[in-house]
Amino acid sequence: DQQVKQNSPSLSVQEGRISILNCDYTNSMFDYFLWYKKYPAEGPTFLISISSIKDKNEDGRFTVFLNKSAKHLSLHIVPSQPGDSAVYFCAARTTSGTYKYIFGTGTRLKVLA
Amino acid sequence: DTEVTQTPKHLVMGMTNKKSLKCEQHMGHRAMYWYKQKAKKPPELMFVYSYEKLSINESVPSRFSPECPNSSLLNLHLHALQPEDSALYLCASSRRTGQNQPQHFGDGTRLSIL
Repeated sequence: DQQVKQNSPSLSVQEGRISILNCDYTNSMFDYFLWYKKYPAEGPTFLISISSIKDKNEDGRFTVFLNKSAKHLSLHIVPSQPGDSAVYFCAARTTSGTYKYIFGTGTRLKVLA
Repeated sequence: DTEVTQTPKHLVMGMTNKKSLKCEQHMGHRAMYWYKQKAKKPPELMFVYSYEKLSINESVPSRFSPECPNSSLLNLHLHALQPEDSALYLCASSRRTGQNQPQHFGDGTRLSIL
């Protein structure tokens, strides 16, 4: 049972435009959400996170939105740059007894120059 | 450069071999993790260490044996692995398990079982 889902396996965006990556979750016990970027042959790199008590967090070109009622998380990248081309994973942490991070299946973003 | 260092980067071993994966961090983090990632799949949690003690074992087969000799080091001892164990093994660390702090990942060890 996949508790964290990224329904779009891939996304192509023109350079300078906005990239929107989406993530849905099913477990209402998740309290902390993160986005990671992964280049080939490298480990995931932390991008941005959000606590469940907030609905938005910004860091430079990256903004994460959390809609708890819809159990939906999104990452906005604006403006998109070719160097943003990578696989993006959302992750959620559960506090039900233990602190475990569950990852989504990933979305491959390609930013076209 | 990643702040979590994993060695070796690649490992090929037979099903009867014994080998170890190593992970090191010097960020003062007291939580360390092992993940397994298969192609086109998300990382899957295997083990969590908190203050050098094993706190989570996700029902991992005993042919994988973790060890945390000190706060900076995490090992994964491998013995009698199966071909389906071929995967990317990722180590991560975070400040503490309960804090809203991200995990920092190493670049992984790509393991192939012949």
